[in-house]
Amino acid sequence: AQSVAQPEDQVNVAEGNPLTVKCTYSVSGNPYLFWYVQYPNRGLQFLLKYITGDNLVKGSYGFEAEFNKSQTSFHLKKPSALVSDSALYFCAVRPSGNTPLVFGKGTRLSVIA
Amino acid sequence: SQTIHQWPATLVQPVGSPLSLECTVEGTSNPNLYWYRQAAGRGLQLLFYSVGIGQISSEVPQNLSASRPQDRQFILSSKKLLLSDSGFYLCAWKRGHDEQYFGPGTRLTVT
Repeated sequence: AQSVAQPEDQVNVAEGNPLTVKCTYSVSGNPYLFWYVQYPNRGLQFLLKYITGDNLVKGSYGFEAEFNKSQTSFHLKKPSALVSDSALYFCAVRPSGNTPLVFGKGTRLSVIA
Repeated sequence: SQTIHQWPATLVQPVGSPLSLECTVEGTSNPNLYWYRQAAGRGLQLLFYSVGIGQISSEVPQNLSASRPQDRQFILSSKKLLLSDSGFYLCAWKRGHDEQYFGPGTRLTVT
């Protein structure tokens, strides 16, 4: 069965430092991978996706993610964190085909000024 | 452009009362539609999804039901709410193999 793991419940980083939010996946076949961000009492916002092609995917708000097939990972990164990046981040996966996304449990990012 | 609406934004209901949450999508046709519940600001639980009018797939047997009376309308219902139904309910849509887009959510508190 397909699954996504976000091993860290909470990530703390100082403003201006690089940030990484980790995600690993388990699917059969070629995965479609996604990152979403959620601010308090709001719906999820799409950040970026990997379908095929270049392993480094660039998305909204300066975020990027690196697909690593051998390590089955899709970590979210940003070179310089902002206080406004503080939010809940979700990784999601869908095997090829028209099926619902499977979401990780979420990682709360706190950027400290 | 496409937009997704949910209402109401917040709802406080007593135990045993009925529930109806509505989700509508504009600017697209024949979308896949989804209902999720989020408890305590963390993980998402997929409740129902629909690939077409009148077609509903239930992911978790529970006190809730869903209907899709029109192409771009998705309704979440309950005949009798339980305390455990409290949470943040999110509707989402998708067209084809693209990413899902989420609505603003409904905060339900059952008292």
